[in-house]
Amino acid sequence: KAGVTQTPRYLIKTRGQQVTLSCSPISGHRSVSWYQQTPGQGLQFLFEYFSETQRNKGNFPGRFSGRQFSNSRSEMNVSTLELGDSALYLCASSLALATGELFFGEGSRLTVL
Amino acid sequence: DAKTTQPNSMESNEEEPVHLPCNHSTISGTDYIHWYRQLPSQGPEYVIHGLTSNVNNRMASLAIAEDRKSSTLILHRATLRDAAVYYCIRPIQGAQKLVFGQGTRLTINP
Repeated sequence: KAGVTQTPRYLIKTRGQQVTLSCSPISGHRSVSWYQQTPGQGLQFLFEYFSETQRNKGNFPGRFSGRQFSNSRSEMNVSTLELGDSALYLCASSLALATGELFFGEGSRLTVL
Repeated sequence: DAKTTQPNSMESNEEEPVHLPCNHSTISGTDYIHWYRQLPSQGPEYVIHGLTSNVNNRMASLAIAEDRKSSTLILHRATLRDAAVYYCIRPIQGAQKLVFGQGTRLTINP
C-alpha cells in the first residue's frame, strides 16, 4: 500500500511569506503528527491530529498551525516566515493514538531566504 | 522527562553484529522503548519497540535490561544499508509525541 505522501517536496520562500504543507497518511490511518528537523535542533514535535482534532502540541510559536480533514489528510501552515524556519518538515501517520509504529513521509524541505 | 541517552556515533564492519546502547534511567513501568532510524535524505523509519522482554523482528532485536533503565538494539549482521542515525525514544504515554534526541550515527565499513 502507498506510504505517507508529503507535498511539495521542496520549496523556497522569502521572509514574511506564508507556506502550507500537505500530508496524505497511509490509507486507514487516522493519526497524523508533524515534526520539524533542523541540523541544530534535530527532530522536534510540532503537533498531532486525530479525528480532525489537535491532540498534542509542541513548543512552537503560534505562527505554526495545522489542521486535519475528514479523510485524515493534514496540512500545516507557517505564517510570517523567518529564516530560522528553514527545515525539513516531516509528517508521520499511525492507525490510532498510542500505537507502536509511526510511518514517516520523506518530508518537505523548506528554504526561507 | 522522556530523555534517553545514546552515544553520538559508532562504527562497525559489514557482516558483523552491532550493539547500539541506550540509557533511559527515568523510565516508568508502562513506558515502551521505541527505536527508529533515519537513512540519509529520508524520513525516520520504525525499527522495533518493546516493554519488558526482549523482542525480535526481521530488522533487529531489542534487549531490555531487567530494571528497564537501559536497552540495546542489536543488528545481527550489519550491511552498508544499515548506515543511519538510530534513535532510541520513549513516547509520551497515550500520544504520538516522540522526543527525539541526537541519536547514534552508525557508520558501517565495507
